[in-house]
Amino acid sequence: QKEVEQDPGPLSVPEGAIVSLNCTYSNSAFQYFMWYRQYSRKGPELLMYTYSSGNKEDGRFTAQVDKSSKYISLFIRDSQPSDSATYLCAMDQGGKLIFGQGTELSVKP
Amino acid sequence: GAVVSQHPSRVICKSGTSVKIECRSLDFQATTMFWYRQFPKQSLMLMATSNEGSKATYEQGVEKDKFLINHASLTLSTLTVTSAHPEDSSFYICSAGRQGGNEKLFFGSGTQLSVL
Repeated sequence: QKEVEQDPGPLSVPEGAIVSLNCTYSNSAFQYFMWYRQYSRKGPELLMYTYSSGNKEDGRFTAQVDKSSKYISLFIRDSQPSDSATYLCAMDQGGKLIFGQGTELSVKP
Repeated sequence: GAVVSQHPSRVICKSGTSVKIECRSLDFQATTMFWYRQFPKQSLMLMATSNEGSKATYEQGVEKDKFLINHASLTLSTLTVTSAHPEDSSFYICSAGRQGGNEKLFFGSGTQLSVL
C-alpha cells in the first residue's frame, strides 16, 4: 500500500463547476499537508498548506483535512480553463515531502 | 517571491555520457536542496537531500555513484547523472527552501532528460 493515494484521473469538468480533489494516506504521523499545482513539464507550485484538521480557504481554493479519516481534499470553486493542470497532494515526513500521484484536471470552456 | 532556477530545461544525450543539472536559489540562501525524479503520469519521487558543505543523503534504491550531488555553495546544487542510460530518461526537479518549514519550499522548473 502506498503511503499516499490519489486518483490520477483524468478529471474533466465544465467551466464554473466545483472541483473536488482528494487524497488518502496511511501514516498517522503526517502533520503537514500541501496541495501543489503542476503544469505540463513544469515544477510544482504550492497552492495550499495546512497543519491541522479543518478547512483553510484562499480565494477560490479550500483545503480540508480530516486526520481521523486520514483524508484530505482540495475544492476549487468557479473553475476556470486556466485551472487545467495536474494537482498533487503532498505530506511532510520528517522534513521530506511524500507526494500523491497527482490528479490531471481539465476545465472545458 | 522566492525563485529557484533550474538549468537546463531539456537535454538530450547519448547513452554512456554524463549530464549535469544545476539548481540555483536566486534570492535566498538554501542550506538544503532536494532532488526529485518524475516519470510520466507518476508522482515526484525524492532521490536525495543535498546539504551545503556535506555529503548528500540518498533515498533507498538511489545509486550514489550514478547520481552525484554537489552542494558547494548556499545558492547552488548540482545533480550529475553519470554514464546515463535510456532508463534514466525522466523529468528531474529540484527544490529549495528558506528556513522555516515546507511552506517555504520552492521548486525549479524541471529538467527533461532524454537518453538515446
